Amino acid sequence: ETGVTQSPTHLIKTRGQQVTLRCSSQSGHNTVSWYQQALGQGPQFIFQYYREEENGRGNFPPRFSGLQFPNYSSELNVNALELDDSALYLCASNIAGGLADTQYFGPGTRLTVL
Amino acid sequence: QKEVEQDPGPLSVPEGAIVSLNCTYSNSAFQYFMWYRQYSRKGPELLMYTYSSGNKEDGRFTAQVDKSSKYISLFIRDSQPSDSATYLCAMSPIGYSGGSNYKLTFGKGTLLTVNP
Repeated sequence: ETGVTQSPTHLIKTRGQQVTLRCSSQSGHNTVSWYQQALGQGPQFIFQYYREEENGRGNFPPRFSGLQFPNYSSELNVNALELDDSALYLCASNIAGGLADTQYFGPGTRLTVL
Repeated sequence: QKEVEQDPGPLSVPEGAIVSLNCTYSNSAFQYFMWYRQYSRKGPELLMYTYSSGNKEDGRFTAQVDKSSKYISLFIRDSQPSDSATYLCAMSPIGYSGGSNYKLTFGKGTLLTVNP
C-alpha cells in the first residue's frame, strides 16, 4: 500500500450535479496529479498541481478544476456532471524533481453518474 | 492514431508460462517508459521504469525498449496466479516532475490471468 489516500471510495451522482473528490499525498510529496480511468481504458491525465498552482493540464474541459492545499492535499471538482464522467479517478503524488519512480498512485474514487 | 497502443487482451496463460506484453507508440518525444500493474479495484503500482532503449531486469520481470521501432515490452518469467492483473504501459517525455509539465500517457492496459 502507498501512502496516498483518496476519499470517498465510491460515489453515485446524477447528471448535472457537482462532485468533489479528495486526495491526501504521501508524506513529503509536494506534487499531485489527477487521472481519469474509464472502464477498460488506461488512465488519462487531467492536471497536475505543484506549489498550490495548476502546473499542466490534459484535454479536459474547464468544468474539471482542482485545488492543492498548503499541506499538499488536493481536491478535484467536477461541475455539471455528464454520464461520460463515470470513471475511476486516481490521484498520484510525488516529490518535485523526483524521478517517475517516486510517483505513487492512490486507490482511486469510483464515480458513477446516473 | 492514439499516442500509445496496447492490446487489451484478455490474455490467459498457465502457471509457469512466460508472458510477453507489448506497447507501441507514435510520439518520438517519449524518453521514459514504465510498466504498471493494477489489481482489480486498486490504483496502479509501478513495476518497471526504464530510460531510453535497452533492457532492464528485476527478478522475474524484464522490460525492453526499442526506440527505433517505438516498441516496448514487458516479459514475466515463471508467471504466478498472483501476477493476474491489468498491466499498463506508460510513457513520458521527461523523467521528473514539479516545476514542469510532467504527465504520463498510458496504454489501455492488458488484462492477464495466470491459471494454477
